[in-house]
Parts: sequence; C-alpha cells; structure tokens
Amino acid sequence: DQQVKQNSPSLSVQEGRISILNCDYTNSMFDYFLWYKKYPAEGPTFLISISSIKDKNEDGRFTVFLNKSAKHLSLHIVPSQPGDSAVYFCAASLGAQKLVFGQGTRLTINP
Amino acid sequence: GAVVSQHPSRVICKSGTSVKIECRSLDFQATTMFWYRQFPKQSLMLMATSNEGSKATYEQGVEKDKFLINHASLTLSTLTVTSAHPEDSSFYICSARDTDGYSYEQYFGPGTRLTVT
Repeated sequence: DQQVKQNSPSLSVQEGRISILNCDYTNSMFDYFLWYKKYPAEGPTFLISISSIKDKNEDGRFTVFLNKSAKHLSLHIVPSQPGDSAVYFCAASLGAQKLVFGQGTRLTINP
Repeated sequence: GAVVSQHPSRVICKSGTSVKIECRSLDFQATTMFWYRQFPKQSLMLMATSNEGSKATYEQGVEKDKFLINHASLTLSTLTVTSAHPEDSSFYICSARDTDGYSYEQYFGPGTRLTVT
C-alpha cells in the first residue's frame, strides 16, 4: 500500500524555467509534509516543509503547495538551475512519527 | 548545524559475517533515530525506529534478529547486519530527529553502501 506516490519517475526542464514536482497521498491523517533532495550515494537533504493547516510555504526559489481536498502537493522551483538536478522525494508524517516517502522524481535541468 | 554522520561510508564483507554501521548526530542530541534502506532507483524504506535507552521498533517484515539496533546514547545509534547475505546488499541510511528542534524534521546521514560477496 503506497500511501505517498510520485507518479513521474523523471522530469526534464530547461534552465531558468519552472520545475514542478508532484506528489499524491492517500492518508488524510498525514499532518506534515516534507520535500527532500538526494544525490546518488548520499543521504537526503531537507528542502522545505508544510503543515497540513497551510496551503503554501515559500523559501527562496522553492515553494510547496498543498491541496488537501485533492490530497496533492507540489514543489515549484523557479528559476531552475543546473545544481537542482537530483532526485526529489516527498515525505509525509503522521503525528511526528515516522516519515513515509514517495518513490522519488529524478529532475534534470538542461542548460 | 544538524549534521549526521555515518561510518563506514562503504563496506564489503563476505557472506555469513556481521557488519556494524554507526550513525552519529554531531551537533545536536537525538532521542530518536531512524534506519532506512534504499534499493537502486527505489524509495527509502523505513526499517526501524531507534529510541535512546529503549528497544527499537521494527517495521513489518524487518527481521529484528538480523538487523540489530542499539541506541545507547543521545548521539549514537548502531545497526548491525548479522550473518549477512548477498540479498542484504543495499544502501543503508540513518536519520535523526533533533530532541530540541521541530519534531517532524529528520536529518539524514550520507548513507552506507553495503556489499555482501
């Protein structure tokens, strides 16, 4: 039972344009969502998070949107830079317990 | 801040031997640490939650006698893969939750690549 899904395994975006990564979840009890960035053979790095009581959180070039009715969240990166090329994981938390991760989306930024 | 280290970063061992992986929170105290496993091109799968001073909580399907977890201090948790087999070859990642920080965020170590021959 995959409670957190990232249906796009890969995404290619031109440098300077907007990257939009999507994530769907099934458990309406999740109360906190996080996005992590991961390079090969390294641990994930925290990017940005959002509480379930909010619908938007912004930090520099990164913005996360949450649509609770659709059980959907997205990460927007604008403008996209070559250093953004990595695998992005969304994760959901239930009551500050364990994190449930999606499958990841490999983002490639083309010059 | 919020740095987590893992040692070793890479280990090769023979089938039947045991391997210990260390996870340390370098600049914060972590009452709770987590151990994940990642197969190639797949998501991070939580193996167990490690609480300082108590027994670890294992996820369904994870053999507690095979993957021994010890969390003896607020900055150190260890994972020992006992009687390792080739199918245990994987990328093992730990994370730690800052005891004094926001409870939802976990800080990840760089991972350990285990290869069992």
